[in-house]
Amino acid sequence: GAGVSQSPRYKVAKRGQDVALRCDPISGHVSLFWYQQALGQGPEFLTYFQNEAQLDKSGLPSDRFFAERPEGSVSTLKIQRTQQEDSAVYLCASYLGSGELFFGEGSRLTVL
Amino acid sequence: RKEVEQDPGPFNVPEGATVAFNCTYSNSASQSFFWYRQDCRKEPKLLMSVYSSGNEDGRFTAQLNRASQYISLLIRDSKLSDSATYLCVLIPYGGATNKLIFGTGTLLAVQP
Repeated sequence: GAGVSQSPRYKVAKRGQDVALRCDPISGHVSLFWYQQALGQGPEFLTYFQNEAQLDKSGLPSDRFFAERPEGSVSTLKIQRTQQEDSAVYLCASYLGSGELFFGEGSRLTVL
Repeated sequence: RKEVEQDPGPFNVPEGATVAFNCTYSNSASQSFFWYRQDCRKEPKLLMSVYSSGNEDGRFTAQLNRASQYISLLIRDSKLSDSATYLCVLIPYGGATNKLIFGTGTLLAVQP
């Protein structure tokens, strides 16, 4: 498709479950970002890929969070042993430079 | 102190009003600045870049004051469709990536 596609759009998990969130970026875009957006807050940086290389993972809040992009296109954000504080919208974005991030619609995670 | 700070609002203004938002940043070495717009339950989208000399795009004017470390967004002749959250964004100097740092956003509600 023409834009960034994320799935699932909505995910409800019980505390302690593992979840996997998928991002299909704009075809040919080398750079990919993941952000976490809690209710009433701005997006918080999680991690950045250039092709398959994860160049910055300084924003991942704990070792329960893991991201990969093995073939330099689709990316997966995995959260192990989910906690209530992980409830947020997880946004994936393609980036071509010049400050314009192209975001997907996000995956809204609710941990009960 | 957060790297980017914004008044969360809400700013409630009548149609046709002029409204201005400020955003302050703590890292004097910040490189580039932008305003993003986020509609309710939607993804953020780039509204405009902010240049040192100030720049205008129709009813929107953005300015940067490096000495006082703030950027501003002025909206003239507000429309109902301007109702959204406005996010201040910067790219800091240095680091391995051009990660974009978001503020918490300012909510604007334009009333009929």
